[in-house]
Amino acid sequence: QKEVEQDPGPLSVPEGAIVSLNCTYSNSAFQYFMWYRQYSRKGPELLMYTYSSGNKEDGRFTAQVDKSSKYISLFIRDSQPSDSATYLCAFGSGNTGKLIFGQGTTLQVKP
Amino acid sequence: DAGITQSPRHKVTETGTPVTLRCHQTENHRYMYWYRQDPGHGLRLIHYSYGVKDTDKGEVSDGYSVSRSKTEDFLLTLESATSSQTSVYFCAISEAPNEQFFGPGTRLTVL
Repeated sequence: QKEVEQDPGPLSVPEGAIVSLNCTYSNSAFQYFMWYRQYSRKGPELLMYTYSSGNKEDGRFTAQVDKSSKYISLFIRDSQPSDSATYLCAFGSGNTGKLIFGQGTTLQVKP
Repeated sequence: DAGITQSPRHKVTETGTPVTLRCHQTENHRYMYWYRQDPGHGLRLIHYSYGVKDTDKGEVSDGYSVSRSKTEDFLLTLESATSSQTSVYFCAISEAPNEQFFGPGTRLTVL
């Protein structure tokens, strides 16, 4: 079993749709949960960062963590064509800074 | 890109030649990281630094070495490049572990 599983997609939705992106993990030691957005031929950009179970909201984005079930989700409301990118989940533990990334889900939002 | 530059941005080299990639930051962050990104493998940590002259190995460190003589610079060296090291290389920085910010990337091709 992989340490992190993320559906690679691609995922295609119409503008205005609610998007749900998901990752599951197997390592109980993970304490930090992140979502990055990566546009084509650019570096990943940190979108959301949390270290507790529950929801964290930032504008149109909501990050959800369920430690008991070992999955995290990113919800995008009122999706826009500018949201078209690859979304990467990432996990960390302790204070080493060693992150484990999912393979990324490619999202296309059609006007 | 959070005050991070990478040089060169593109490089083509031949098998067996040494290659050095440079990461420069203007944020005075303590931690610096080198990742490689490959289709089907996502982002994988090569080496990281938690202070000047303090470095440690990541998940895929074989064939790579690093040096950090100043807070702002982190060098990644491929002593003898191989075709398997063809990849996109990203530098990241953070003040605290886990919340990492990425540079624009270096696209390396080893022929």
